[in-house]
Amino acid sequence: GAGVSQTPSNKVTEKGKYVELRCDPISGHTALYWYRQSLGQGPEFLIYFQGTGAADDSGLPNDRFFAVRPEGSVSTLKIQRTERGDSAVYLCASSLTAGVGEQFFGPGTRLTVL
Amino acid sequence: GIQVEQSPPDLILQEGANSTLRCNFSDSVNNLQWFHQNPWGQLINLFYIPSGTKQNGRLSATTVATERYSLLYISSSQTTDSGVYFCAVTTSGTYKYIFGTGTRLKVLA
Repeated sequence: GAGVSQTPSNKVTEKGKYVELRCDPISGHTALYWYRQSLGQGPEFLIYFQGTGAADDSGLPNDRFFAVRPEGSVSTLKIQRTERGDSAVYLCASSLTAGVGEQFFGPGTRLTVL
Repeated sequence: GIQVEQSPPDLILQEGANSTLRCNFSDSVNNLQWFHQNPWGQLINLFYIPSGTKQNGRLSATTVATERYSLLYISSSQTTDSGVYFCAVTTSGTYKYIFGTGTRLKVLA
């Protein structure tokens, strides 16, 4: 597609449930990034992939969070045993390759944990 | 880690006015972008500008990397310029963007 797409746009879940958030990067972009944005704050880095491998996952807050990119294109962010503090907008970005040039952001998934 | 501070935090302008937004960073950077986050939450790329000066219509930006700051100029502001402006940087050896504190702009008709 023309830009980064994310699904769903909104997700409401109950505390303790498992959720998956999907990101489709710009075609041909080898680097993919996940960020999280809480209300009133700037986005904060979670993890990035160069190709299929997670090159830096230092921003994942704990082991309930996991992300995959099995074929080097689409990525899924997985959150187990969700907590109310996980409520935020989850943003995905992609770039041609890691560390060079612009990152382009998707519209985000707004996650609400009740 | 690197600190990225933006000023002013809030700005209210009358339509047609000009403004300058500033981004200060505490360490040398490899990449720098300016974004506009519109009221619907979409981050829109304005400039990729790790150094030098660029212009795009009513917007222009300058980064002086040796002095660790970047400026975003908005001329003849329009109501559609409202939203939050972020600068974001990466430092040597890392590819993750660190976002600044943001400037919330409101342009009044």
